[in-house]
Amino acid sequence: GENVEQHPSTLSVQEGDSAVIKCTYSDSASNYFPWYKQELGKRPQLIIDIRSNVGEKKDQRIAVTLNKTAKHFSLHITETQPEDSAVYFCAASVAYGNKLVFGAGTILRVKS
Amino acid sequence: DVKVTQSSRYLVKRTGEKVFLECVQDMDHENMFWYRQDPGLGLRLIYFSYDVKMKEKGDIPEGYSVSREKKERFSLILESASTNQTSMYLCASSLTGLNEKLFFGSGTQLSVL
Repeated sequence: GENVEQHPSTLSVQEGDSAVIKCTYSDSASNYFPWYKQELGKRPQLIIDIRSNVGEKKDQRIAVTLNKTAKHFSLHITETQPEDSAVYFCAASVAYGNKLVFGAGTILRVKS
Repeated sequence: DVKVTQSSRYLVKRTGEKVFLECVQDMDHENMFWYRQDPGLGLRLIYFSYDVKMKEKGDIPEGYSVSREKKERFSLILESASTNQTSMYLCASSLTGLNEKLFFGSGTQLSVL
């Protein structure tokens, strides 16, 4: 079945720097890749998603890139701010069964 | 704004007890999900439902069952709670496409002693 690996597990950056989180997936038929952000003690919330027919998507300071050949996708956060500190989860759709498989999560700490 | 409400934020139960976790959504969403969240393991799908009285197994259904008698309510049942079911349980709903734009509840932290 689908396996999603997420790296790094923790990431510390200085305020204003960029942060990159990378996920790899195993099912070449996966076609939908969302990213969720979970602040401490709060519910996960969708921040951006991308479909397999698009190579890049941007929304203000966040962007997601997809490399279908290599089967990996990445979240890029520019000009990081303290409020970006959270756990970020990537996910990939499973071709059959209409499910999402999530990565293990990345703890992002933005130091001011 | 979509609201997904889980009935309890914290729950403590004893091994062998039958446990009910309730979830209600107020946006007429077709699809509802139960995940468990454990450190280092991400979110793992237990069960999901795409219609009233319909249910499908997720990746880790063993030891759990679900009930969806009404569109807005999706219940997770632990038939006989065990200590390895201590976890954060998250309910979610979505309107279009089973995978897309999940709206999560605040979670129930269940401790089984």
